[in-house]
Amino acid sequence: GAGVSQSPRYKVAKRGQDVALRCDPISGHVSLFWYQQALGQGPEFLTYFQNEAQLDKSGLPSDRFFAERPEGSVSTLKIQRTQQEDSAVYLCASSFSRPSEAFFGQGTRLTVV
Amino acid sequence: GENVEQHPSTLSVQEGDSAVIKCTYSDSASNYFPWYKQELGKRPQLIIDIRSNVGEKKDQRIAVTLNKTAKHFSLHITETQPEDSAVYFCAASKGRDDKIIFGKGTRLHILP
Repeated sequence: GAGVSQSPRYKVAKRGQDVALRCDPISGHVSLFWYQQALGQGPEFLTYFQNEAQLDKSGLPSDRFFAERPEGSVSTLKIQRTQQEDSAVYLCASSFSRPSEAFFGQGTRLTVV
Repeated sequence: GENVEQHPSTLSVQEGDSAVIKCTYSDSASNYFPWYKQELGKRPQLIIDIRSNVGEKKDQRIAVTLNKTAKHFSLHITETQPEDSAVYFCAASKGRDDKIIFGKGTRLHILP
């Protein structure tokens, strides 16, 4: 595709529900990042993949958060037993090589009620 | 790990004046410093970046300076226009095999 694509754009989850957020990076991009952006804040790093290898997951806030990129392309961020504090925009970004421009997707706005 | 501090958090300038946003980073191994612009409800988009082997880079009305010794870098926007109103984020990375860490952002208002 022409850019990084994320789905769904909006997700409302009941507290305790599991959610899965999808990211389709730009074709050929090696690096893929997930960020969490709360309202009025900067993107907070969650995790980073290089191809299928998860090189850094130090930003995942708890063991309820899990990310994968099994074939080095599409990535899924899963949040189990969602809580209200998980409400945020989840941004995915990809880049061809490092260091270089990271292109962001439109984000998934998660609201936990 | 890397920590990026950004200030001011809010900046208002008259149209046509210059705006300066400053950032500091903590990890001397960082070597890539991008700046992103985010308009309301939209994705962050890269506006300029600088690598640690140069001290300044300019692109039309936008320039970035880097002081590696002091671990400071700054964004300069000259002749500001209404469409410059947005939130600006600085970021730092150690490059290969490393994440990009963002500052908390500066909300820039261009006053008519």
